Amino acid sequence: KAGVTQTPRYLIKTRGQQVTLSCSPISGHRSVSWYQQTPGQGLQFLFEYFSETQRNKGNFPGRFSGRQFSNSRSEMNVSTLELGDSALYLCASSLELAGYGYTFGSGTRLTVV
Amino acid sequence: GQQLNQSPQSMFIQEGEDVSMNCTSSSIFNTWLWYKQEPGEGPVLLIALYKAGELTSNGRLTAQFGITRKDSFLNISASIPSDVGIYFCAGQGSYSGAGSYQLTFGKGTKLSVIP
Repeated sequence: KAGVTQTPRYLIKTRGQQVTLSCSPISGHRSVSWYQQTPGQGLQFLFEYFSETQRNKGNFPGRFSGRQFSNSRSEMNVSTLELGDSALYLCASSLELAGYGYTFGSGTRLTVV
Repeated sequence: GQQLNQSPQSMFIQEGEDVSMNCTSSSIFNTWLWYKQEPGEGPVLLIALYKAGELTSNGRLTAQFGITRKDSFLNISASIPSDVGIYFCAGQGSYSGAGSYQLTFGKGTKLSVIP
């Protein structure tokens, strides 16, 4: 069965712009979480969605937002990009909340110049 | 916020050697997970531990959930070149913090295997 699909794989944006990243979970998975990975901070939790509702949010500024659609697909948006937003953004899906058996996608590599 | 201390940060070992890495936390977790990440890919789940004291194996990998719920270790026996990658521990369901379902990750152990 298909895994977690993230698009695009690579993205280059300019400071001040905004960006939208997409995640399609494994078929049947209803929970989608987003993580930011940087060399300095490692993997940090952004937010988790379940049944189109944000259930949990990490310690990131309001420029980071997300949503989940009725088919469980999720998008995250970053507005007013800063250089420090350059990172690998990873999406993970699981059958239910609690995330046992999270499956991660390959990520979107965002570079802000 | 919660932090996981993962050690060592990196390891260079000879093919065939055994490897051990561990994670400690100031918080209690309900679940400990171990992931491996290879370049250009997302983390892949290796082992999940759900009970304090639990010892679980997956092929050459063995992991344990510490009795105090604040630590876990991962052992890899008879390492091979394809074991190369970054290994992450993750805790889930801390009693002491908000957002009990999110994963808190360690900073990773970068493993290099010399043939």
